[in-house]
Amino acid sequence: EIVLSQSPGTLSLSPGERATLSCRASQSVSSTYLAWYQQKPGQAPRLLIYAASSRATGIPDRFSGSGSGTDFTLTISRLEPEDFALYYCQRYGGSPTFGQGTKLEIK
Amino acid sequence: EVQLVQSGAEVRRPGESLKISCKGSGYTFTSYWIAWVRQMPGKGLEWMGIIYPGDSETRYSPSFQGQVTFSTDKSISTAYLRWSSLQASDTAIYYCARQQGTLDIWGQGTLVTVSS
Repeated sequence: EIVLSQSPGTLSLSPGERATLSCRASQSVSSTYLAWYQQKPGQAPRLLIYAASSRATGIPDRFSGSGSGTDFTLTISRLEPEDFALYYCQRYGGSPTFGQGTKLEIK
Repeated sequence: EVQLVQSGAEVRRPGESLKISCKGSGYTFTSYWIAWVRQMPGKGLEWMGIIYPGDSETRYSPSFQGQVTFSTDKSISTAYLRWSSLQASDTAIYYCARQQGTLDIWGQGTLVTVSS
């Protein structure tokens, strides 16, 4: 089973700053099958990125994904107040697995 | 609008049974897999498995095989998650989601509380 490890566990930044979230896989993952989700308190998760770098419908272009093999990154270029939330990476296809999440909090 | 609407919060005692629901609308319900995802209090997301409403084919995560049962009723575009005997450790929010590779549409979640 592929294990996804996200870092950092918590990231404290200010609005307007750049956020870089990491997702590392225990073995190589096809970039076709790597996604990122955002979850705000009391809400269901929302798909942000699929195929490692493609934005889902309606996702602002300040969100971008990159990476390949075992290392993937979600970047938020300029943080807006509504971006402070939990973020999960997911390997899909086969038996999907999630990372443990990164909490992005206001500094 | 494409959406999944789940049934409301439930409180049960250990050993009781429960079935929660997830109703799809705005798309062809029988053409997309429905996934179930667990989120225990303060924890992350766990993929439980999927069901294809078109023919009721199911695939369970090994962690949930034998613990829960998925079903659907095509006539009312609804998927179900059932427990025959709940345990306190089943306390969680359960989400249904449309799975086409990624989980692109999510229900709002159903909070299940199991307590004596």
